[in-house]
Amino acid sequence: AQSVTQLGSHVSVSEGALVLLRCNYSSSVPPYLFWYVQYPNQGLQLLLKYTSAATLVKGINGFEAEFKKSETSFHLTKPSAHMSDAAEYFCAVNTNAGKSTFGDGTTLTVKP
Amino acid sequence: EAGVTQFPSHSVIEKGQTVTLRCDPISGHDNLYWYRRVMGKEIKFLLHFVKESKQDESGMPNNRFLAERTGGTYSTLKVQPAELEDSGVYFCASSPGGGQGIYGYTFGSGTRLTVV
Repeated sequence: AQSVTQLGSHVSVSEGALVLLRCNYSSSVPPYLFWYVQYPNQGLQLLLKYTSAATLVKGINGFEAEFKKSETSFHLTKPSAHMSDAAEYFCAVNTNAGKSTFGDGTTLTVKP
Repeated sequence: EAGVTQFPSHSVIEKGQTVTLRCDPISGHDNLYWYRRVMGKEIKFLLHFVKESKQDESGMPNNRFLAERTGGTYSTLKVQPAELEDSGVYFCASSPGGGQGIYGYTFGSGTRLTVV
């Protein structure tokens, strides 16, 4: 069975500050890991994915995530937050069949 | 390329009524998934189609939910009769065929269902 834990349902940062959204996973097989972003009244959009290639994965909008097997983590970071980054972020782990297990989501607030 | 389209975007129905949600995936995507998010909680898997076949329907809550995928194209999710606890946002997603696990999804905007 697979599971995902996102630490912190709400994260608030100042514009220009580092963004760090935490994700820990549990998987019995090498995982495929994803981060999605959901803006208000929109569907989820794929930010980036880890599929057993490079452990540091770069995504859209300046986000990146690092896969750390020893820590079973896949934290999402961005060096400098923009107001437009305010959204809800979801970490997910996939089975080989493509079924995803999602975390509960983290709402990011960016203060001016 | 057109994205994943869901409609209606919102639906308010009374308990006991029937509602049908529709999803049009990206053309050529063999995999189609339905997920649901209830009351801001986690997004939960409902079922997975590969073309017209149900690959996995382990997440369907009960037999009040019926999903179909006609000819491997669009999909419908019918709730009959609807109960209060069925309220939530229903998401559809699609991905290309083969090696499904490595693909992320393209999601639709969701259908917000409210049962009163």
